[in-house]
Amino acid sequence: DAKTTQPNSMESNEEEPVHLPCNHSTISGTDYIHWYRQLPSQGPEYVIHGLTSNVNNRMASLAIAEDRKSSTLILHRATLRDAAVYYCILYSGGSNYKLTFGKGTLLTVNP
Amino acid sequence: KAGVTQTPRYLIKTRGQQVTLSCSPISGHRSVSWYQQTPGQGLQFLFEYFSETQRNKGNFPGRFSGRQFSNSRSEMNVSTLELGDSALYLCASSLVGSSPYNEQFFGPGTRLTVL
Repeated sequence: DAKTTQPNSMESNEEEPVHLPCNHSTISGTDYIHWYRQLPSQGPEYVIHGLTSNVNNRMASLAIAEDRKSSTLILHRATLRDAAVYYCILYSGGSNYKLTFGKGTLLTVNP
Repeated sequence: KAGVTQTPRYLIKTRGQQVTLSCSPISGHRSVSWYQQTPGQGLQFLFEYFSETQRNKGNFPGRFSGRQFSNSRSEMNVSTLELGDSALYLCASSLVGSSPYNEQFFGPGTRLTVL
């Protein structure tokens, strides 16, 4: 079964870039990589997702390694509102799709 | 546009009882998925309902069940509660069904405590 590994916690300073890593060495060729974040006392919030190519949206960028065994979520300029737990999730498609959740990385942003 | 709403937000039950949680998806969304979140196991997928049919389910015992109504609202039921069922239960909705290609929108969750 696929597995994702994330650091338990990371720290950043406000207005600096943040690189959040995720290892998924057993990923299969059709698994999508999703990232969600969860602010305190809230449900998770979608951040970004991708398959093979790097992806950008208004919130973040997703850099996927060429062998797809790891990926990095990039917040270009961290703000205090970015302090949250960030989850890396593998999504295997099909009718009986399977979701593999990482344990999440707690990001602390210092002013 | 209103987000995903879950009721109640907090619930305390005792072992052996049963509980029903409710989720109202974003208007127009036809898919509702349920997740359990605990400190030990993290996030785990329970099941998804799409157009009143269970589309997929995770690895949970039969005590966990759900249903979806014609207005896409969904309920989740847990029977014969155990202490280990204490968790945050999250509901998420999506427009066309959970897939690798689109995002889900989560509600704030229902915090269930089993005593």
